[in-house]
Amino acid sequence: AQSVTQLDSHVSVSEGTPVLLRCNYSSSYSPSLFWYVQHPNKGLQLLLKYTSAATLVKGINGFEAEFKKSETSFHLTKPSAHMSDAAEYFCVVRGGGSQGNLIFGKGTKLSVKP
Amino acid sequence: GAVVSQHPSRVICKSGTSVKIECRSLDFQATTMFWYRQFPKQSLMLMATSNEGSKATYEQGVEKDKFLINHASLTLSTLTVTSAHPEDSSFYICSASGVGPYEQYFGPGTRLTVT
Repeated sequence: AQSVTQLDSHVSVSEGTPVLLRCNYSSSYSPSLFWYVQHPNKGLQLLLKYTSAATLVKGINGFEAEFKKSETSFHLTKPSAHMSDAAEYFCVVRGGGSQGNLIFGKGTKLSVKP
Repeated sequence: GAVVSQHPSRVICKSGTSVKIECRSLDFQATTMFWYRQFPKQSLMLMATSNEGSKATYEQGVEKDKFLINHASLTLSTLTVTSAHPEDSSFYICSASGVGPYEQYFGPGTRLTVT
């Protein structure tokens, strides 16, 4: 069965410093992995996705993630945090079967201090 | 990008009544729609998957007689919470995808409060 574990429930950084949100996955086959962001009172937005192409995936708003099979990790990074990056971030793996359901991690709340 | 809307955005109802939430794909045909539930400060939990014109597939532990899902057209799915109770209060989110297990596009969510 597929699953994801987000290692930190809350991460706090200062504006202009790097962001690292950690995610480990478990999958019996080559996974499809995603990062979504949820701002308060707004819908989920896809940041980036990995689907067995390049292991370094670039997303929107300067975010990127690297798929590391040896470490079963898919950590999300950004070189310099902005105040607008404060939100809830979800690491997601696509489940098995033909329906393509998504399995969400518990989420990491990112706070950005001025 | 593809847009998914939900209506209403928030609703308050009395215990024992039923509430219907609509999910629409505005600019694409959604062969598959998903319904999620999100408790405060928690992750999204898949409730059910529905394909247009067929019965929904419910996840283990989700009461299909309580959470009625209808996917009558390629652009509309509805979730009806029947005989709502305060413990049904939650944030309900739908998503939609096209043919095959493609990317899911999420609606903005509906906050249900049962008093």
